[in-house]
Amino acid sequence: KNEVEQSPQNLTAQEGEFITINCSYSVGISALHWLQQHPGGGIVSLFMLSSGKKKHGRLIATINIQEKHSSLHITASHPRDSAVYICAGMYSGGGADGLTFGKGTHLIIQP
Amino acid sequence: DAGVTQSPTHLIKTRGQQVTLRCSPKSGHDTVSWYQQALGQGPQFIFQYYEEEERQRGNFPDRFSGHQFPNYSSELNVNALLLGDSALYLCASSRRQVSEKLFFGSGTQLSVL
Repeated sequence: KNEVEQSPQNLTAQEGEFITINCSYSVGISALHWLQQHPGGGIVSLFMLSSGKKKHGRLIATINIQEKHSSLHITASHPRDSAVYICAGMYSGGGADGLTFGKGTHLIIQP
Repeated sequence: DAGVTQSPTHLIKTRGQQVTLRCSPKSGHDTVSWYQQALGQGPQFIFQYYEEEERQRGNFPDRFSGHQFPNYSSELNVNALLLGDSALYLCASSRRQVSEKLFFGSGTQLSVL
């Protein structure tokens, strides 16, 4: 069964803190997506990873294929980073979509 | 360049009714996928359309059906609505066989009373 697990489920931090959100998945993944969802529903795709590390601004995503684990890091966190962060795995045999999603990490950054 | 657009944004129906949700993909995209997101949960994959055919399907009953038109836009139909169908329905578009970031619409919030 394809599974994606995220931790923590909820995270509250102070502005400026370094944030880490973790994602583990079952065998067979061909790529992993990190998504950001703000209140109201809109989802923005942050990264798609199949190996190594990607960086965009204050966001960094890493993936370890052997350990079946990915992390999303936010440096110098800001209240506008408050959102739900979701990881989603694309399993072999699927197309560009057909993802299995984690339940999300609800992040609150306090000023 | 318009991104993925969905309509309507909100919808209220009663049990037993039927509903149609619509999605227009991002320009240049030919593949549309639909997801259901219950409150407090991650999205669940419903199905994916490419070349006007359903290509993949998640664990959803036959009450959920879809269609893709020649212009790549898509519809999601749900028959015999149940209270449990209340959710945010998201559409995502992409290019077939191209591994890249996904583009999502803002969703349709469906409430079944």
